[in-house]
Amino acid sequence: EVQLVQSEAEVKKPGESLRISCKGSGYSFANYWITWVRQTPGKGLEWMGRIDPSDSYTYYSPSFQGHVTLSADKSSSTAYLQWSSLKASDTAMYYCARPRDYSQPPDYWGQGTLVTVSS
Amino acid sequence: QSALTQPASVSGSPGQSITISCTGTSSDVGAYNYVSWFQQHPGKAPKLMISDVTNRPSGISNRFSGSKSGNTASLTISGLQAEDEADYYCSSYTTISTLVFGGGTKVTVL
Repeated sequence: EVQLVQSEAEVKKPGESLRISCKGSGYSFANYWITWVRQTPGKGLEWMGRIDPSDSYTYYSPSFQGHVTLSADKSSSTAYLQWSSLKASDTAMYYCARPRDYSQPPDYWGQGTLVTVSS
Repeated sequence: QSALTQPASVSGSPGQSITISCTGTSSDVGAYNYVSWFQQHPGKAPKLMISDVTNRPSGISNRFSGSKSGNTASLTISGLQAEDEADYYCSSYTTISTLVFGGGTKVTVL
């Protein structure tokens, strides 16, 4: 069974750094892209970018380029989303998800990681 | 890029059919047959209901169907059931190799 298990909720202060994780199981992790999606009450779902775990090639949405960093460790079947300096506007639910191919929609999703940034 | 345009809400009685529209541009919905639909219940992750405009993944009820004309795609739910009450999002692959979502539609079963 394909599963994506994300790290627990985080509460951080503005300016702090953060890395959240997404561990895949039940399939060959290196053979499928991982995408990240942000969900906020006001803006719905937003596609942030994708990473190919086989070589860590990344492709970002222009809206998120430079604000976040995607990475992956194929040896531990884990993908990461990180921020170097959080802002209050980063408060959201973040999902990792797995598409069949880079042009396809995600068909498997993690349970989500809630990130709260507040002073 | 801008989000795809969906109605904020759609409602229907049990057994009825409803249709949700999703309007984009020639750079996304109109460019490829790569429109998808997701269902999301409160507190849950989105669930893929339709891919490639009309394809239902295994296990998805045939009460859900998709179509597309030009820059507008549609999701039809026939034989509406109480369990269909949820938020629905469309998405499309784009000409700059990204994925863009719609703003979401809240479906209410009266």
